[in-house]
Amino acid sequence: KAGVTQTPRYLIKTRGQQVTLSCSPISGHRSVSWYQQTPGQGLQFLFEYFSETQRNKGNFPGRFSGRQFSNSRSEMNVSTLELGDSALYLCASRGGRRNTGELFFGEGSRLTVL
Amino acid sequence: GQQLNQSPQSMFIQEGEDVSMNCTSSSIFNTWLWYKQDPGEGPVLLIALYKAGELTSNGRLTAQFGITRKDSFLNISASIPSDVGIYFCAGLMNYGGSQGNLIFGKGTKLSVKP
Repeated sequence: KAGVTQTPRYLIKTRGQQVTLSCSPISGHRSVSWYQQTPGQGLQFLFEYFSETQRNKGNFPGRFSGRQFSNSRSEMNVSTLELGDSALYLCASRGGRRNTGELFFGEGSRLTVL
Repeated sequence: GQQLNQSPQSMFIQEGEDVSMNCTSSSIFNTWLWYKQDPGEGPVLLIALYKAGELTSNGRLTAQFGITRKDSFLNISASIPSDVGIYFCAGLMNYGGSQGNLIFGKGTKLSVKP
């Protein structure tokens, strides 16, 4: 069974640009969550999607958005990039309708903003 | 907002030694989980705890869900070089039909001297 796949693995952008990251969950998983990981703040929850609907949202500005497609694949977008957006963005999927906290993470997309 | 205080932040140990780390919070959680992250990879679930007072083992790892629901600890016995990595605690509160979202500690970086 293939794991969670994130693309691209690495990318470099400049301030003011926008970026789109992609996540393919484990086959059969309908929930996809996104986390931002930085050395200072650790893992911070961005949002969760289940069956194409945003179920939960963390405390991030509106520049951070996401969506989920009918095949459960998800994308997140960050507009008007700032230097502080440099981070590892992790996607995680889980099976089942109820959140048990048991997540399967991808390897992440490392974003550097110059 | 909710915060998890994880300690120690880092530790160096001799191979074969036992390791302990813990996580505390001012908030109550109904699920505690422990994840491990290796360099260049996403976190991987080690142990999930769903009941206050629960003690669960996974090989050389043992974790407990504190009676107050505000803390958890993880023990690693007879450490080996592949135990190196960052260990994260995570708490989930999803009462009343809310799905909740995982709150992560800042991590304990484990380094083992061969």
